[in-house]
Amino acid sequence: EVELEESGGGLVQPGGSRRLSCAASGFRFRSYSMNWVRQAPGKGLEWLAFISSTSNTIHYADSVKGRFTISRDNAQNSLFLQMSSLRDDDTALYYCARLGNRAFDAFDIWGQGTMVTVSS
Amino acid sequence: DIQMTQSPSTLSASVGDRVTITCRASQSVSDWLAWYQQKPGKAPKVLIYKVSTLENGVPSRFSGSGSGTEFTLTISSLQPDDFATYFCQQYYDYSEWTFGQGTKVEIK
Repeated sequence: EVELEESGGGLVQPGGSRRLSCAASGFRFRSYSMNWVRQAPGKGLEWLAFISSTSNTIHYADSVKGRFTISRDNAQNSLFLQMSSLRDDDTALYYCARLGNRAFDAFDIWGQGTMVTVSS
Repeated sequence: DIQMTQSPSTLSASVGDRVTITCRASQSVSDWLAWYQQKPGKAPKVLIYKVSTLENGVPSRFSGSGSGTEFTLTISSLQPDDFATYFCQQYYDYSEWTFGQGTKVEIK
């Protein structure tokens, strides 16, 4: 079964750091680009970061550029999001999502999310 | 940055109704438009990509149309399982992905 499972969420103080992980299974992880998306409580979806299959191409949303770093380890079938200088408005459920390989494809597989709460 | 605006924000409808949700882009996104469904406590699920291509397993009562800056998601006959929140997403140049703010479909 194709699955993504996030981990690493928790309570973080403002200004602190946190590293999220996403474990992939059931598909050839090294062949797919991946993304991080978040959703603040009761709010909509916000795309955060993209990484290509070989890590050659990386993009960030302006809201996290310079504070968050996306990376991956294809040997371990894992995706990461290193978050630093965290603010109250970074409180959200963080999802990893696979970019499908079909032409014009969208985010076809999502994890269940890991919650990050930024609070003192 | 491309902005996506959905309307309405909330929609009240009955089982069997035909439902239409609109998504407008601040500039042309060509065919790079997807729709997602999200139920409470669950991750989003892609319904449609490339404006009108139905994801595998998605019922045919869902359809998408549009081009350029204006797009619609239509549910031809609303079913109990369809009460959820729907998001559009643009991915025009694969360097920036933007979601609409969402449309909640409620039971009338």
